Amino acid sequence: ILNVEQSPQSLHVQEGDSTNFTCSFPSSNFYALHWYRWETAKSPEALFVMTLNGDEKKKGRISATLNTKEGYSYLYIKGSQPEDSATYLCAFRKTSYDKVIFGPGTSLSVIP
Amino acid sequence: NAGVTQTPKFQVLKTGQSMTLQCAQDMNHEYMSWYRQDPGMGLRLIHYSVGAGITDQGEVPNGYNVSRSTTEDFPLRLLSAAPSQTSVYFCASSPLTGGYGNTIYFGEGSWLTVV
Repeated sequence: ILNVEQSPQSLHVQEGDSTNFTCSFPSSNFYALHWYRWETAKSPEALFVMTLNGDEKKKGRISATLNTKEGYSYLYIKGSQPEDSATYLCAFRKTSYDKVIFGPGTSLSVIP
Repeated sequence: NAGVTQTPKFQVLKTGQSMTLQCAQDMNHEYMSWYRQDPGMGLRLIHYSVGAGITDQGEVPNGYNVSRSTTEDFPLRLLSAAPSQTSVYFCASSPLTGGYGNTIYFGEGSWLTVV
């Protein structure tokens, strides 16, 4: 079973702080790395799909980077807002025809 | 555009009962999968399929059965429900071709309680 890890497990920040989380995955084979935002009782919301080493993606105040050679991706949130409070999941796919494995998530709480 | 549709949304079962969670997608996706969500554990893969007639086990397959007779449908069967199967279940699908990593689409979740 593929091991996809995320750190930290949870994070509490003040409104306006910038923060980042890490997702690590096996570096031996790589097809795609996904980031999702997930609120309780809702379906996960897609943020980014990253496929190339060195990829950088940005959506508003949220951005992500990818290093496939060393097996990690960072998600950054600039100027956190209370509405950013959610669990952030990464998901790894080794080949295009393989299963998608999720990490355990990072729970972010932004304190007004 | 329906996307991924799961039914039922809520279900209460007694220990030992069997039931089927239904999942259907109308996007002609080859890949379909079932996950369960438990506190602090993210989404754990139960079973997945890369096309009609092809299924495989994920991280936590015990107590669950699946089949894929059509591209559109991927039902999840609980053979003999146990309290440990109380969870929120998500069905997800994605294309397998077309490049760009293939975004995964989720159903709205099915809340299952086993008493």
